[in-house]
Amino acid sequence: DAGVTQSPTHLIKTRGQHVTLRCSPISGHKSVSWYQQVLGQGPQFIFQYYEKEERGRGNFPDRFSARQFPNYSSELNVNALLLGDSALYLCASRASSGANVLTFGAGSRLTVL
Amino acid sequence: QQPVQSPQAVILREGEDAVINCSSSKALYSVHWYRQKHGEAPVFLMILLKGGEQKGHDKISASFNEKKQQSSLYLTASQLSYSGTYFCGTASNAGNNRKLIWGLGTSLAVNP
Repeated sequence: DAGVTQSPTHLIKTRGQHVTLRCSPISGHKSVSWYQQVLGQGPQFIFQYYEKEERGRGNFPDRFSARQFPNYSSELNVNALLLGDSALYLCASRASSGANVLTFGAGSRLTVL
Repeated sequence: QQPVQSPQAVILREGEDAVINCSSSKALYSVHWYRQKHGEAPVFLMILLKGGEQKGHDKISASFNEKKQQSSLYLTASQLSYSGTYFCGTASNAGNNRKLIWGLGTSLAVNP
């Protein structure tokens, strides 16, 4: 079984641009969470989606948005990129909204110049 | 509210033991431990729920002291494969399990 897959793995953008990151959860997992991990720090929670509905939102500006599709895959969108948005963006899936174990993807490393 | 992990970094020789601590200023419902190797995704190790239970997985075990709002991860007879950064994630109630608050991590290097 494939794990959590994310794309792209690496990307470089300039300030002011927007970016779309994609995530496919483990087959059968209906919940997807997004995290931002700045170098040297722990993951910071951005969003959780379950059954296409937002179930949680972290302390991030409105420039960050996400959605979940009927096949449970998810997109994270970031508009008006800032230098500080440079980070590893991790997607994690879990079997249900309340399940404890997160399975992370390898992440998308975003560099904003 | 971010849990505090200690130590920040530790270097071991293969076969030595280590303890990593995770402390919170808030009452905790659960503590989650993950390990992340360089350039890879965090991988789940174990979860501890309030009640002070101790869990183990191979030679890695953990305890959760609800009163002290602290969890400790014990690595015994360390192996080279234990190298990586260990993160604790905490939740103050069951509803917050979906948005864990993570510590800054403890970097562990195991040398031959």
